[in-house]
Amino acid sequence: NAGVTQTPKFQVLKTGQSMTLQCAQDMNHNSMYWYRQDPGMGLRLIYYSASEGTTDKGEVPNGYNVSRLNKREFSLRLESAAPSQTSVYFCASTQTAENSPLHFGNGTRLTVT
Amino acid sequence: AQTVTQSQPEMSVQEAETVTLSCTYDTSESNYYLFWYKQPPSRQMILVIRQEAYKQQNATENRFSVNFQKAAKSFSLKISDSQLGDTAMYFCAWRYSGGGADGLTFGKGTHLIIQP
Repeated sequence: NAGVTQTPKFQVLKTGQSMTLQCAQDMNHNSMYWYRQDPGMGLRLIYYSASEGTTDKGEVPNGYNVSRLNKREFSLRLESAAPSQTSVYFCASTQTAENSPLHFGNGTRLTVT
Repeated sequence: AQTVTQSQPEMSVQEAETVTLSCTYDTSESNYYLFWYKQPPSRQMILVIRQEAYKQQNATENRFSVNFQKAAKSFSLKISDSQLGDTAMYFCAWRYSGGGADGLTFGKGTHLIIQP
C-alpha cells in the first residue's frame, strides 16, 4: 500500500520556468491538499480539493494552479516560477470524517534560482 | 481565522528525560480536533496523537500523551522516557469538525533535540 506518492522528490527551476508537481493516493480518500513548508513558518495550505471536480484556495494560493484529475490524483502547477516559491511541497489526503488525520506524501524540495 | 501557536522554536533534553511541548490555539468554534505530527530529518510527516475537543479525557499513545485544556485553548504534548529517535520537528495542528474539507491549520513547529 503506497499511500500518498509525490513526484518528483527534488527539482531545480530557473525563474520564469513552469512545472507540475504530481500527487496520487491509493487510499480512496475524498479530500486532497497541497501545503508548502518554509523554515520557521510551519505548513501553509496552498489549495485543496474536497472531492473530485472541486478545488478551493487555501492560505497562500497566489502563483499556483491545481487540477483534481480524478479521485486519485491532484496536481500543483507553477506557471512562472519565482524565487519566493522555493520551498518544500507536501501533498496530503484524508477521508471526509473530521477526526481522520491527513496522510502525507514525502514532499518535493523545489529550488527556484 | 484560526491560529495555532507553538512558542518554543527549539528544545533540547537528555535521553530518558520527560519533555513537554506547548501549543495554544485560537478559535471561536466549539467542535474541533487537535493533532500532533512528528517530522524527522527524513521529512516524512508522521501522526503522533490526536484529540477530539468534545472528549475530556486526555489522549495517550504509548510514551506520548497530551494535556488538553479546552478553556485555556491549550494542547501540550508530553514525551516520557525520551529516545534519540524522538529528535524531530513537532507540529501542532487544528481541524474544524463541523463539516467541510479545508484541512489542518498548523503551528510553526518545535525542533526537539534529544541528547545522548
